[in-house]
Amino acid sequence: DAEITQSPRHKITETGRQVTLACHQTWNHNNMFWYRQDLGHGLRLIHYSYGVQDTNKGEVSDGYSVSRSNTEDLPLTLESAASSQTSVYFCASSPGVGTDTQYFGPGTRLTVL
Amino acid sequence: DQQVKQNSPSLSVQEGRISILNCDYTNSMFDYFLWYKKYPAEGPTFLISISSIKDKNEDGRFTVFLNKSAKHLSLHIVPSQPGDSAVYFCAAGGYQKVTFGTGTKLQVIP
Repeated sequence: DAEITQSPRHKITETGRQVTLACHQTWNHNNMFWYRQDLGHGLRLIHYSYGVQDTNKGEVSDGYSVSRSNTEDLPLTLESAASSQTSVYFCASSPGVGTDTQYFGPGTRLTVL
Repeated sequence: DQQVKQNSPSLSVQEGRISILNCDYTNSMFDYFLWYKKYPAEGPTFLISISSIKDKNEDGRFTVFLNKSAKHLSLHIVPSQPGDSAVYFCAAGGYQKVTFGTGTKLQVIP
């Protein structure tokens, strides 16, 4: 069955370190998204991609970067982790056609100490 | 500026009764709306959606109502079951990108 996976599921890191969160989907979806979930803020869009080599900033993109070298993967990099980036991160994908539904991964809980 | 708002952070309902979750939006350019359900330690899963050209969409126990003039949508769950206890996110979309609300935690009491 097609799916979307995230790794690691849990990560503890220190302030200032570079961290990369992986997202892999096997649906061959064009669109991929990264969100963070924080209490009182719901799901906020960090970055998104509409296809290979395409990346766009979302509403909370500062301190994050993504790259899309193939259809299946959209890794999220925290260049220099900050305590404010402690959160649960969700990756999602969608076919990219019409009013399409997004399918979410299981999430990565990141703690920055 | 929060374009999609869920003003009730939590809701408790007795099993068998109706659950009504509400959502307001500000951007009249949104052309479709979705509800997602999220259990702890899992990703959100799609529940039901509605296009802006409709005012109602039904799927089993779940019905979504859209009032465009009021920029308001609601999710009705009838009858509510304990397994419906979760966080529900409202989302509004346009051109393949959606904006999520802050979520409402529903507790269905047996």
